[in-house]
Amino acid sequence: EVQLQQSGAELGKPGTSVKLSCKVSGYNIRNTYMHWVNQRPGKGLEWIGRIDPANGNTIYAEKFKSKATLTADTSSNTAYMQLSQLKSDDTAIYFCAIGLAIWGQGTLVTVSS
Amino acid sequence: DIQMTQSPSFLSASVGERVTLSCRASQNINKYLDWYQQKLGEAPKLLIYNTNNLHTGIPSRFSGSGSGTDYTLTISSLQPEDVATYFCLQRNSWPMYTFGAGTKLELK
Repeated sequence: EVQLQQSGAELGKPGTSVKLSCKVSGYNIRNTYMHWVNQRPGKGLEWIGRIDPANGNTIYAEKFKSKATLTADTSSNTAYMQLSQLKSDDTAIYFCAIGLAIWGQGTLVTVSS
Repeated sequence: DIQMTQSPSFLSASVGERVTLSCRASQNINKYLDWYQQKLGEAPKLLIYNTNNLHTGIPSRFSGSGSGTDYTLTISSLQPEDVATYFCLQRNSWPMYTFGAGTKLELK
């Protein structure tokens, strides 16, 4: 069974960075794209970007190009997303997903001073 | 950018009723349209991909149709466990994707 285990909730101060992880079991991430999606409180889904773990190539939605940095470690079968220069508007649940077909449980990021 | 408009935003229906949700794209998306179900407090779950293909393990009461700019998700007989928010996703503008704003489905 394929499972995605995301890291725990984060509380970040404005202007700082956080790095989220998404560990995959039951599937080799080299064989897929890893996507990241967010959901602000009470709102819809927003596609952030995706990484090809086999070569590190990334694509970002325009509004996240200076906000998110996607990386992957194929040796540990884990994908990462760093969010920089945190603002209150970044408060959201962040999901990772294999090919947008199998999703992690989400990580809540709260930005507050 | 391709914009996705879902309607209605909110829908109340009875158990056993046939339910139809709509998703309209701002331009032709060539059937690269997926549907997701999200229950409260859970991650989204893929229901249908490429307009009308049922994802593994999804009940056959769910079906999808459409072409061009207009797409539909149908639940043939609403069940209590179908209460959720439903999102469409266009993948025509690969690798840039866009979700609709969602339709919240509740029981009457």
